[in-house]
Amino acid sequence: GAVVSQHPSRVICKSGTSVKIECRSLDFQATTMFWYRQFPKQSLMLMATSNEGSKATYEQGVEKDKFLINHASLTLSTLTVTSAHPEDSSFYICSARGSRDTYEQYFGPGTRLTVT
Amino acid sequence: DAKTTQPTSMDCAEGRAANLPCNHSTISGNEYVYWYRQIHSQGPQYIIHGLKNNETNEMASLIITEDRKSSTLILPHATLRDTAVYYCIVRVSPMDTGRRALTFGSGTRLQVQP
Repeated sequence: GAVVSQHPSRVICKSGTSVKIECRSLDFQATTMFWYRQFPKQSLMLMATSNEGSKATYEQGVEKDKFLINHASLTLSTLTVTSAHPEDSSFYICSARGSRDTYEQYFGPGTRLTVT
Repeated sequence: DAKTTQPTSMDCAEGRAANLPCNHSTISGNEYVYWYRQIHSQGPQYIIHGLKNNETNEMASLIITEDRKSSTLILPHATLRDTAVYYCIVRVSPMDTGRRALTFGSGTRLQVQP
């Protein structure tokens, strides 16, 4: 149980375009989802926390207008990287935290974004 | 959450036990020790957690010192598939954290050698 999926697993886009990444909790309801970013040979850095039905909370230094997060249902959160640039190329990982027996954080497999 | 210190990297021979240490000298009484690992280009995977007693599951054992200032994750028979970055994280119970995310340090890069 407690499976989190991400789609797509990898994406290549041109500079200036937008990319949407989906995060789904497959067998539990996720009241809170987290988005992390990981650059090569670095650790995971938290970008934002989203709670179902409310606005996301962004970490310091993360532009909320560039990284749009939507958590419209208890099983789906999306991260849209708007006007992507090569420096946005990274590994994006989501995790989901449930309620009622699934308070732990469960991680998705990650999405590799390459901006050319 | 309490700060943790882990060695940057470790090697282990395949089939031998891998012992990964973690120091958390400022741990509070209500904080747990969690271990996750991240295999290259994958999301983190939960391994085990404990409060003060030693814990064992199908993946690993967790040994916590009596003063709780350090712990050791033991992979009893390491395989090549155990090559990964291992993160030791100290935090209060997720039921008590409200909606705070896990914070990752640098971790230990374990290389299992054939």
